[in-house]
Amino acid sequence: AQKVTQAQTEISVVEKEDVTLDCVYETRDTTYYLFWYKQPPSGELVFLIRRNSFDEQNEISGRYSWNFQKSTSSFNFTITASQVVDSAVYFCALSEAPYNTDKLIFGTGTRLQVFP
Amino acid sequence: DTAVSQTPKYLVTQMGNDKSIKCEQNLGHDTMYWYKQDSKKFLKIMFSYNNKELIINETVPNRFSPKSPDKAHLNLHINSLELGDSAVYFCASSQDRRKAVYNEQFFGPGTRLTVL
Repeated sequence: AQKVTQAQTEISVVEKEDVTLDCVYETRDTTYYLFWYKQPPSGELVFLIRRNSFDEQNEISGRYSWNFQKSTSSFNFTITASQVVDSAVYFCALSEAPYNTDKLIFGTGTRLQVFP
Repeated sequence: DTAVSQTPKYLVTQMGNDKSIKCEQNLGHDTMYWYKQDSKKFLKIMFSYNNKELIINETVPNRFSPKSPDKAHLNLHINSLELGDSAVYFCASSQDRRKAVYNEQFFGPGTRLTVL
């Protein structure tokens, strides 16, 4: 069965610290997609990144970087030099390819609090 | 320009009532979804429609009935509301993976439903 585990329920850091949010997934399929979404205190869900199972290259976007490792079924998210505006709940999600519509399986989220 | 919009943003109602939430997307996507986020922030898919056709129905009580008059709209009607229906309901849309490489889902702002 598909499953996404975000073991860290809540993380607190001080501004400018680096922080890594862990995501471990389970799937039987060889083709799948992984996502990260951000949910700030205002409540909306903001798409951050999409990765397909054939692309294991790490990605960097500004202060954000993602480490995808199929060998450990992990898709971790690192924020470098965190800022107060990064405070949010972050969700990792898995989607399997056989559907022509994507069923996102979400992890339980990690609440990140960045203190000034 | 709002990509995925939902109305209303807040909905407070009594147990036993019937209510509807509307969703519209102007992204030209073929696929739309409803997700439920409970009080613990857990996000779970409820329904998915592709070109007005129901694709995913995740064992949701039949008091919940989605309706898609066209591919830009997906409404959610809930009959005989119960206390446990209190949650935030998110609408989302994405491109059909058969048509496009990018299949990330874009979410509406959410509708907070409170059943008293």
